[in-house]
Amino acid sequence: GENVEQHPSTLSVQEGDSAVIKCTYSDSASNYFPWYKQELGKRPQLIIDIRSNVGEKKDQRIAVTLNKTAKHFSLHITETQPEDSAVYFCAARREYGNKLVFGAGTILRVKS
Amino acid sequence: DVKVTQSSRYLVKRTGEKVFLECVQDMDHENMFWYRQDPGLGLRLIYFSYDVKMKEKGDIPEGYSVSREKKERFSLILESASTNQTSMYLCASSSRRYRGLVRQYFGPGTRLTVT
Repeated sequence: GENVEQHPSTLSVQEGDSAVIKCTYSDSASNYFPWYKQELGKRPQLIIDIRSNVGEKKDQRIAVTLNKTAKHFSLHITETQPEDSAVYFCAARREYGNKLVFGAGTILRVKS
Repeated sequence: DVKVTQSSRYLVKRTGEKVFLECVQDMDHENMFWYRQDPGLGLRLIYFSYDVKMKEKGDIPEGYSVSREKKERFSLILESASTNQTSMYLCASSSRRYRGLVRQYFGPGTRLTVT
């Protein structure tokens, strides 16, 4: 089955700096890769996703890149702000499947 | 806006008790999921259901069962709670109507403590 590894497990950055979180997946049939953000005490919320026919997607300060050959995808947050502090989860889904396989999560701390 | 609600935010049970966790969604979603969230392990799928009365095991189904008698409601059952089932339990739902539209909407979570 699919296995998703996520690094780093914790990340501290200074406000205004960029943050990058990387995930690798094992199943070459996976074709959908969402990122969820979970603030302290709150539910996970989708922040951005990418499909395997696209190499990069941006939404304001957030971007996701996908390298299908290497089977890895990354979340990039630019100009980080204190409200970006949260746990971020990557996930992968097989084509036409219902299930997502999640990474272990990255705790991002933005220091002001 | 999608609403996914869970019956309790916090629950304390004793070892050996039967525990019911309920999840309700109001968006007519076909798919519903139960995850447990533990530090350093991310979200692990326990069971999911793609239709009423249909269920499939996830990655860690041992010690759990589920019930889906109505489309909007998905219950997670711990037949005999054990201390290693102390965890945060998250319910989620998603639609199967649109090809590729697989965004999962999560409930607020139930923090279960088994003593």
